[in-house]
Amino acid sequence: GAGVSQSPSNKVTEKGKDVELRCDPISGHTALYWYRQSLGQGLEFLIYFQGNSAPDKSGLPSDRFSAERTGGSVSTLTIQRTQQEDSAVYLCASRAQGGYGYTFGSGTRLTVV
Amino acid sequence: AQTVTQSQPEMSVQEAETVTLSCTYDTSESDYYLFWYKQPPSRQMILVIRQEAYKQQNATENRFSVNFQKAAKSFSLKISDSQLGDAAMYFCAYTSWGATNKLIFGTGTLLAVQP
Repeated sequence: GAGVSQSPSNKVTEKGKDVELRCDPISGHTALYWYRQSLGQGLEFLIYFQGNSAPDKSGLPSDRFSAERTGGSVSTLTIQRTQQEDSAVYLCASRAQGGYGYTFGSGTRLTVV
Repeated sequence: AQTVTQSQPEMSVQEAETVTLSCTYDTSESDYYLFWYKQPPSRQMILVIRQEAYKQQNATENRFSVNFQKAAKSFSLKISDSQLGDAAMYFCAYTSWGATNKLIFGTGTLLAVQP
């Protein structure tokens, strides 16, 4: 597509429920990143995918967080047993291999009540 | 570990005036990229300007320019002839050649433009 698409745009969930956030990167972009932006904070790196390589999961805050990328394209970030501190905007970005043009989506605002 | 610091949580500028946003970073790498991103209420991060560390010349994009001081590890953004549409959160970011090329962000500066 023309840009990075994220869905849903907003998600309200009850504490303890699982949620799935979706990112559809720019076609042909091999690198995909997930970031978390908490209120008043900068962006915190969560996970990185590059082609068929093993993902860099070093930023995931707990084992309740996981992500996968199917077919080198669409990625899903899953948060299990959501907690109130998970409330944040989750941003996805993609990048062409060897390039430094990062394109961001508009994010998913997650609210845990 | 690399870090990016933005010491100005909020700034304000009059329309048509000039404002400078500060950013410092810490790294032991010699080859890296620095970025300024704008985040309006729509939440999408929009690239304002990018600087390659090996280039001594400061990057410019129309009304936006940077003052890159490599030895001081400083990377400030100057916005000239400020417009109402410039009002947004501005983030400074860093990345270096490496396995992930992940962006490391500062905490942002909220810029208000007064008419």
